[in-house]
Amino acid sequence: ETGVTQSPTHLIKTRGQQVTLRCSSQSGHNTVSWYQQALGQGPQFIFQYYREEENGRGNFPPRFSGLQFPNYSSELNVNALELDDSALYLCASSLADSSYNEQFFGPGTRLTVL
Amino acid sequence: AQKVTQAQTEISVVEKEDVTLDCVYETRDTTYYLFWYKQPPSGELVFLIRRNSFDEQNEISGRYSWNFQKSTSSFNFTITASQVVDSAVYFCALAYNNNDMRFGAGTRLTVKP
Repeated sequence: ETGVTQSPTHLIKTRGQQVTLRCSSQSGHNTVSWYQQALGQGPQFIFQYYREEENGRGNFPPRFSGLQFPNYSSELNVNALELDDSALYLCASSLADSSYNEQFFGPGTRLTVL
Repeated sequence: AQKVTQAQTEISVVEKEDVTLDCVYETRDTTYYLFWYKQPPSGELVFLIRRNSFDEQNEISGRYSWNFQKSTSSFNFTITASQVVDSAVYFCALAYNNNDMRFGAGTRLTVKP
């Protein structure tokens, strides 16, 4: 069984740029959630996708958007990057469209915005 | 408001000591789930346990045990006979409203040999 993978591992961008982060879910998992983890803090829920539709969103502005594809891969897009967007971005996959289920996390992408 | 508080920012123990990580939560929902995750230096969160709001049974898994008390809104985690490999950041999390999840700020546990 393949685990959750994320790419790239590290990324450096400048303020105002756009970035796309990628996630490959565990095989068979139709739900993916994205989290932002600032240094020294717990992960914050950005949004969840279930069967290619957004299925819940945390307190993040619309410049954070996502896509989920039928092949268990997904993307997190962030437009107009701000310095505060610097963080570890985690994706997590699960079997059903509920945060009540166990989620399997990837190793994360560390984004630095200069 | 939904909230998870892990008051202990950092804990340091010597190997073989027992250690308890505290977690206090707030929610108005009657149906919710509580989780504990471990985050080693590699960054990947590792699932440890899930408990739903209707099941207050304590659980033991090897050296790990969890104490869920709705009366005090607490879900504490104890490691017995700690080992160096237990060193990590531990997060308590609250899942509610079917697709929202709130994590605590985490407790960094250091186990010294």
